[in-house]
Amino acid sequence: LAKTTQPISMDSYEGQEVNITCSHNNIATNDYITWYQQFPSQGPRFIIQGYKTKVTNEVASLFIPADRKSSTLSLPRVSLSDTAVYYCLVGDTGRRALTFGSGTRLQVQP
Amino acid sequence: GAVVSQHPSRVICKSGTSVKIECRSLDFQATTMFWYRQFPKQSLMLMATSNEGSKATYEQGVEKDKFLINHASLTLSTLTVTSAHPEDSSFYICSAWSGTSGGHQETQYFGPGTRLLVL
Repeated sequence: LAKTTQPISMDSYEGQEVNITCSHNNIATNDYITWYQQFPSQGPRFIIQGYKTKVTNEVASLFIPADRKSSTLSLPRVSLSDTAVYYCLVGDTGRRALTFGSGTRLQVQP
Repeated sequence: GAVVSQHPSRVICKSGTSVKIECRSLDFQATTMFWYRQFPKQSLMLMATSNEGSKATYEQGVEKDKFLINHASLTLSTLTVTSAHPEDSSFYICSAWSGTSGGHQETQYFGPGTRLLVL
């Protein structure tokens, strides 16, 4: 399973755009990149998934360069409710168990 | 997205008793479910992979006789913590792989978790 590296924590203010970058140098050809959000005492919530280039949904955008060795989760105009831990995972579309790293703890301040 | 439920959401039990946690996929069929454990301020750790109709696959260090997993149908997996002890107190989270059924994004969806406290 490809290992991921992401910042331990990030701080932001309401209304700002937040970009969280994840490194996955050993990503395999069949691997997708998936991001989850977790609030305290809750299960992770699926945010977005992509394979290459750019993916956008109503919540976030995911940018993946051509070499796929990294990816960037972009959260537009964050609010206080976006304070959470964000996990970047790499795997075979979820068919296999996911290996969670330490995640990025995002703190949004007013 | 697809919905996965867990029951109970929290449970308190005495040391030595057994506790059963249910994980259900509500709007899709899941041939594969996963069980994770999360201690405070830590990340999720995979305990086992549950496949419908077959024995679960446990991660190294997880006692299969202590954490019994049953995946009897395509929408239900259960985790039974047998003879629970205080060190088993944790947050237990299940997930289910949606596959291509139900028109959902093909990925893993997580339940809300079950907080277990063993006194």
